[in-house]
Amino acid sequence: DTGVSQDPRHKITKRGQNVTFRCDPISEHNRLYWYRQTLGQGPEFLTYFQNEAQLEKSRLLSDRFSAERPKGSFSTLEIQRTEQGDSAMYLCASSPGFGSGANVLTFGAGSRLTVL
Amino acid sequence: QKEVEQDPGPLSVPEGAIVSLNCTYSNSAFQYFMWYRQYSRKGPELLMYTYSSGNKEDGRFTAQVDKSSKYISLFIRDSQPSDSATYLCAMSAITNAGKSTFGDGTTLTVKP
Repeated sequence: DTGVSQDPRHKITKRGQNVTFRCDPISEHNRLYWYRQTLGQGPEFLTYFQNEAQLEKSRLLSDRFSAERPKGSFSTLEIQRTEQGDSAMYLCASSPGFGSGANVLTFGAGSRLTVL
Repeated sequence: QKEVEQDPGPLSVPEGAIVSLNCTYSNSAFQYFMWYRQYSRKGPELLMYTYSSGNKEDGRFTAQVDKSSKYISLFIRDSQPSDSATYLCAMSAITNAGKSTFGDGTTLTVKP
């Protein structure tokens, strides 16, 4: 297993366009998380899935954001009508779904979004 | 006020120094305490993981948790230039396993 993969690594878009990020978690991990990180800040929780079920969404996740994990494997995070304030690193992480290991997140390298 | 406050740094030390990184928190429900290391333009990677109070040692790294004071620390002994990175503390509650609240990170530079 090669860890958590994210694609694309960097996306530059114009304000108002839609963007989609993909995350492939560690195959044995039931849980998948999306976090957002801006310069000089720690990662902020956006949402997470247990298998294909989206169990929690942060209030940071506005209506323009939608996440899916259709078959409990890979996940996508879509941002519609991007705004300059959406510029950030979008981090995906996965963890086992049970036990103390559920707290240990394995992160991908992130997808950096720049909105012009 | 944020739930997790981390000493902002930046911190610059000579090679071989002992480094102390610290976080305070306000949420009594936090039971799991993690330290992640993040290199520039990379995702965080787990360094240390502790449940409840106490100390945990792993090589040159020691994590301490004092729940009575709501204070956690990471000590790095014999620091190396390769330790230069941003260190993030993170915490989660039993009821929200995996949903971690992060500090804003301390950037460490170890000079040869």
